[in-house]
Amino acid sequence: AQTVTQSQPEMSVQEAETVTLSCTYDTSESNYYLFWYKQPPSRQMILVIRQEAYKQQNATENRFSVNFQKAAKSFSLKISDSQLGDTAMYFCAFMGLGGATNKLIFGTGTLLAVQP
Amino acid sequence: EAQVTQNPRYLITVTGKKLTVTCSQNMNHEYMSWYRQDPGLGLRQIYYSMNVEVTDKGDVPEGYKVSRKEKRNFPLILESPSPNQTSLYFCASGWFSDTQYFGPGTRLTVL
Repeated sequence: AQTVTQSQPEMSVQEAETVTLSCTYDTSESNYYLFWYKQPPSRQMILVIRQEAYKQQNATENRFSVNFQKAAKSFSLKISDSQLGDTAMYFCAFMGLGGATNKLIFGTGTLLAVQP
Repeated sequence: EAQVTQNPRYLITVTGKKLTVTCSQNMNHEYMSWYRQDPGLGLRQIYYSMNVEVTDKGDVPEGYKVSRKEKRNFPLILESPSPNQTSLYFCASGWFSDTQYFGPGTRLTVL
C-alpha cells in the first residue's frame, strides 16, 4: 500500500528566510504524481506545486520549489523569502497512475508558522 | 468563475438522523471525490467518481454513500450518522494532471 509520511508536525521560520518541509512516500509504482497543498486558517485547500514522477526536473512555482529524489522516494518543499501569508498547514500528497484505483493519498501535514 | 460549492458549510446533527452534503462544480469535470480531514490524520479519501454513474470506494467508505447522476453534482450521504463521523469534509473535482479544485469544506458535528 502507498503511504506518505511528513515527519515534521510543526515548523517555524522568520519572515524573509528559507524553510524546507520534508515528505517521504512509499510505492511500488513507477509513474505517479506528487503534490504539495497549502491549507491556511480559512481551511481552503490550495494546490502549491505538482511534480510528475517521469520528469526529472524539479518543479518550481515562484518562491516554491521541490527537491524530488525518486530513488530515495523523497519530495521536499522549499519556500524561499517566507512571507506572513505562507503561515498554513502544508500537506504532501501522492497519486499512483499504474494501478486500478485513482486515489489521492495525503500525509498528516506540517503546520508552518512564519514569524515577523 | 471556476468553483466547487458545498452545502451546508456547518452542520450539527444527532446520531442516526440521515443527512446529505451537496457538492457541485461548474467546470464540466469528470473526476470528483470526497475527503474527510481529522486532526493528526490528514485528509483521507472517502469515495470518488470517474464519471456519471461511475463511483468507487476510497480509503474510508464505511458509513457513507454517494451518487453521481449528473456530471456537476456529487452528493455525500450519511444514512445513519455516528459521532465518529464528526469531521471536516471536502469535495474536490478535476484530474490530477490539471488543477484539482477543492470546495470550501463542511464542518459536521454528530452528537
